[in-house]
Amino acid sequence: SAVISQKPSRDICQRGTSLTIQCQVDSQVTMMFWYRQQPGQSLTLIATANQGSEATYESGFVIDKFPISRPNLTFSTLTVSNMSPEDSSIYLCSVEALGQGNTEAFFGQGTRLTVV
Amino acid sequence: QQQVKQSPQSLIVQKGGISIINCAYENTAFDYFPWYQQFPGKGPALLIAIRPDVSEKKEGRFTISFNKSAKQFSLHIMDSQPGDSATYFCAASGAGSSYKLIFGSGTRLLVRP
Repeated sequence: SAVISQKPSRDICQRGTSLTIQCQVDSQVTMMFWYRQQPGQSLTLIATANQGSEATYESGFVIDKFPISRPNLTFSTLTVSNMSPEDSSIYLCSVEALGQGNTEAFFGQGTRLTVV
Repeated sequence: QQQVKQSPQSLIVQKGGISIINCAYENTAFDYFPWYQQFPGKGPALLIAIRPDVSEKKEGRFTISFNKSAKQFSLHIMDSQPGDSATYFCAASGAGSSYKLIFGSGTRLLVRP
């Protein structure tokens, strides 16, 4: 399994500012994923982050708004830039790791962001 | 074609009853279908998953039924308990995209004592 720690767990930010969310995994993983979960909604993939290469962004998400770093195999950051109230969401880090006999996706507890 | 449609949006079941949540997909290249359970303030946790080579998978009180021809799969929770009250998401991945999961819209389950 994989244990994922996200920081901060929650934050309230002023519009126009930026917030960097950290994701730390207790084991080395190849691929890390960042998801957004808007209030009461489903999860939407923002980007895939591989160590040593540029992150791959999904349709509707751009690097200027959500820059991602992946400096090593256990850590990644997601920055939410120039925030607006529409960015208020839960941001989740995910990794794929060996679970109970199979590879599966594990999630952090999420970062609850409120933009005022 | 990448959508996963989930129903119902919410579900109320009496303790001991059966909870059934349904999902449908369009992309026939999907080859991995997990269900996630999410409690308030927590990240989703894998509950059970199935691949298209089997039609049913059971783990304890949780069963996935998979209909490849209809492109549908469902979660059955037998003997539902108040502790099962959570939001459940179906998801799908594959088509060369590894674990880039496409999630359904979620079902909020309430099990009454």
